[in-house]
Amino acid sequence: AQTVTQSQPEMSVQEAETVTLSCTYDTSESDYYLFWYKQPPSRQMILVIRQEAYKQQNATENRFSVNFQKAAKSFSLKISDSQLGDAAMYFCAYRTLYSGGGADGLTFGKGTHLIIQP
Amino acid sequence: GAGVSQSPSNKVTEKGKDVELRCDPISGHTALYWYRQSLGQGLEFLIYFQGNSAPDKSGLPSDRFSAERTGGSVSTLTIQRTQQEDSAVYLCASSQGSYNSPLHFGNGTRLTVT
Repeated sequence: AQTVTQSQPEMSVQEAETVTLSCTYDTSESDYYLFWYKQPPSRQMILVIRQEAYKQQNATENRFSVNFQKAAKSFSLKISDSQLGDAAMYFCAYRTLYSGGGADGLTFGKGTHLIIQP
Repeated sequence: GAGVSQSPSNKVTEKGKDVELRCDPISGHTALYWYRQSLGQGLEFLIYFQGNSAPDKSGLPSDRFSAERTGGSVSTLTIQRTQQEDSAVYLCASSQGSYNSPLHFGNGTRLTVT
């Protein structure tokens, strides 16, 4: 089974600054999908961005972008021009192509709590 | 259209009572997931339904936990003889079922066992 590690339990950034959240994973597979989800205090998990492993180009969604380093098995999330509404828990997730969506199919990291300082 | 709906939003129950948590997935989504999230923690996988296939129940922590999905749509998570350690937020998610389909989550049910 794959493992996903988010080594930063908490990060703090000043409003309008840029912050990078780290995520590393362990796998022997060559094709897979990676996701970042955001969980604000409302509890609802929201998809931020996704990356397909076979695509070399880093995914970008407005102020959110990823630095996908396949050889290093790293998938960091960069948030530019941080806003107060970005304050949330952020979870990194790995999706294998070789199993269903159950225990072995989708693996989440333990999350990073992002604090935005006004 | 409507997102994933979970009810109740909050549930307080006494230790030893049974509870039922409901999840209404997005129409047409074939995959449905239940996760448990303890305070400040990550997501703990509980159970996964995909179409008409047998569910993956490997994450259910004990035989007090069960779940069903009727007609490939609504799902109910049942916890029998609740214990204080069952207190957590229970999140439901659905997806179109393909590998690159993101999960769409509900707002969760916060369960408190007193």
